[in-house]
Amino acid sequence: GNSVTQMEGPVTLSEEAFLTINCTYTATGYPSLFWYVQYPGEGLQLLLKATKADDKGSNKGFEATYRKETTSFHLEKGSVQVSDSAVYFCALTATGANSKLTFGKGITLSVRP
Amino acid sequence: GAGVSQSPSNKVTEKGKDVELRCDPISGHTALYWYRQSLGQGLEFLIYFQGNSAPDKSGLPSDRFSAERTGGSVSTLTIQRTQQEDSAVYLCASSSSGRAESDTQYFGPGTRLTVL
Repeated sequence: GNSVTQMEGPVTLSEEAFLTINCTYTATGYPSLFWYVQYPGEGLQLLLKATKADDKGSNKGFEATYRKETTSFHLEKGSVQVSDSAVYFCALTATGANSKLTFGKGITLSVRP
Repeated sequence: GAGVSQSPSNKVTEKGKDVELRCDPISGHTALYWYRQSLGQGLEFLIYFQGNSAPDKSGLPSDRFSAERTGGSVSTLTIQRTQQEDSAVYLCASSSSGRAESDTQYFGPGTRLTVL
C-alpha cells in the first residue's frame, strides 16, 4: 500500500539555522506529493506541493524537490525563523486512490530566538 | 472567501453516547473528505465524497462510524456508541474537484472529541 515515512522528531533549531526534514514514500503509479503545516492553535494548511518527478515546490522560503529515483520529498529552508515553529506533515495522493491524502506521522519543529 | 468550517470545535461525551460532527466545505467545492488526527495513529483518512458518486468509505474504522453529505454541500459524521479510543481531532477538508491527485485540499479547524 501507499505510505509516507518522516524522520523522527522533535527538532529544535536556533533562528537562522538551515532546516532539512526528510520524507520518503512508497506508492503505486505517480503520486503527487505535499507538505502540510500546522501552526500552534491553527488548522492544517498546505505549504507546498509537487505533482511530477523533478518538480520543485516552494513557498515562504521552503523548498522540496520530487525525487522519483530516491522516492523522496525532503523539505528545506535556508534560514528558519521563530515563526516557522509548527508541526510539518509530508503527504501523498496516489493514482486511482480518490485523491485521499496519506500522511506521514508529522514532525514538530521548534525555533529558538 | 470563507474557508472550511466545522462544528462544534470541542465535544465531550460519555462512553456509549452518539455524537454528530458537522462540516461546511468551501462553496463550490465538490469533493469533501473526513480525516482523524490522534496521538497514536497520526492523520488517517476516513471517508470521501465526490459529487453524487457513492462515497469511498474505505477508511472508516468500524460500523459505528457513518457519514452523509446532503445536497452536495454540508456533511455530518456520526459516531454511534462512542468508545474512549474514538477520542481524537476530526478534520474535514474540501477540494474543487477531487478528481486530480494534484488538487489541493483545504482543511477546517477540526472538532476535538473527548470520550470519557
